[in-house]
Amino acid sequence: AQSVTQLDSHVSVSEGTPVLLRCNYSSSYSPSLFWYVQHPNKGLQLLLKYTSAATLVKGINGFEAEFKKSETSFHLTKPSAHMSDAAEYFCVVKGAGYALNFGKGTSLLVTP
Amino acid sequence: NAGVTQTPKFQVLKTGQSMTLQCAQDMNHEYMSWYRQDPGMGLRLIHYSVGAGITDQGEVPNGYNVSRSTTEDFPLRLLSAAPSQTSVYFCASSLQTGISGNTIYFGEGSWLTVV
Repeated sequence: AQSVTQLDSHVSVSEGTPVLLRCNYSSSYSPSLFWYVQHPNKGLQLLLKYTSAATLVKGINGFEAEFKKSETSFHLTKPSAHMSDAAEYFCVVKGAGYALNFGKGTSLLVTP
Repeated sequence: NAGVTQTPKFQVLKTGQSMTLQCAQDMNHEYMSWYRQDPGMGLRLIHYSVGAGITDQGEVPNGYNVSRSTTEDFPLRLLSAAPSQTSVYFCASSLQTGISGNTIYFGEGSWLTVV
């Protein structure tokens, strides 16, 4: 079975400082991993995905994530936070089955 | 290209009422699914379909019914609404599920309140 654990339910950063949202996964085989973002009262938007190609994945809006098999991690980073980055972020794993397994989400707050 | 379209966006139901959440996609995707989102729970899979005429249960199927008569549409029916079904519902679709990494597209959500 596949699962993800988002290690922080809330993260607060100042505008212009780096962002780190942590995600650990559990999978019996090489997974596909995703990060989605959800702005208030909106749907989910794909930020980036890992599908066993390059371990450093670049996404939209300056976000990137690194797949580390030895640590079973897929942390999301951004060098400099912007006010518009304030949202809920979901780490998601997809294995051989049809379902996506979502983490419980990390709420990112960006302060001026 | 509209992507994944869900209707209605907001709905208030009385306990015991039935209703249908509509989902349509115009990308010729084989795979469609319904999730519910509750605070602190992430998204949980209700039902999914891998093609017209084929549906299966997800993690939380009780109280919901689905059908897939066409590739484009995947409605979710609440048979007898209960307050526990107050949630935000998301429809999603993607290409062949056998290929890992296919992007899954989500609708904008349907906010349902059962009183």
